[in-house]
Amino acid sequence: SQTIHQWPATLVQPVGSPLSLECTVEGTSNPNLYWYRQAAGRGLQLLFYSVGIGQISSEVPQNLSASRPQDRQFILSSKKLLLSDSGFYLCAWNQGAGGYTFGSGTRLTVV
Amino acid sequence: GQQLNQSPQSMFIQEGEDVSMNCTSSSIFNTWLWYKQDPGEGPVLLIALYKAGELTSNGRLTAQFGITRKDSFLNISASIPSDVGIYFCAGQGGAQKLVFGQGTRLTINP
Repeated sequence: SQTIHQWPATLVQPVGSPLSLECTVEGTSNPNLYWYRQAAGRGLQLLFYSVGIGQISSEVPQNLSASRPQDRQFILSSKKLLLSDSGFYLCAWNQGAGGYTFGSGTRLTVV
Repeated sequence: GQQLNQSPQSMFIQEGEDVSMNCTSSSIFNTWLWYKQDPGEGPVLLIALYKAGELTSNGRLTAQFGITRKDSFLNISASIPSDVGIYFCAGQGGAQKLVFGQGTRLTINP
């Protein structure tokens, strides 16, 4: 069966520090991978998606970047965090129709 | 870009009451999905709808894919405390990306 792992679960980082969030998927090949951000009590904002290794599409200009070094690995990064980068970050995957499967999320607080 | 209008934004009900929420779009979707998010967790898929007019149930949950393919509703019957959370609708068009509604926050008074 397919599973998605996302870590860490929570993270507190100072302004100006780097960021690396990792997401991996097991039990499938060539998934589409997504990074979403959710502000407190708000909807889901698509940040990046990837349809294959090294293929990254950015949905909104921001202080973040994404990379897909392996088929089932998706990384969200920043060189210097801003206060506005705080939020709940969700990784998701899918193949074809039928919606996404989400990870359990990372709560990032930039202080 | 595509947007989904989800309503209501929040609901405060008594345990045992029925719940109804809906989503509308200016665009046509091939698939409609409903997710539930518990606090501090990722959204979990409740129901997926693939055909215009389709009515699908999952326990006390019932969802329908509108005939025009531009809307969908979700009903929850006889609500219980564990139904508390945020419910999201999502539409999937020709590309793989989902478009999400802004969510309906459900609060239940025991």
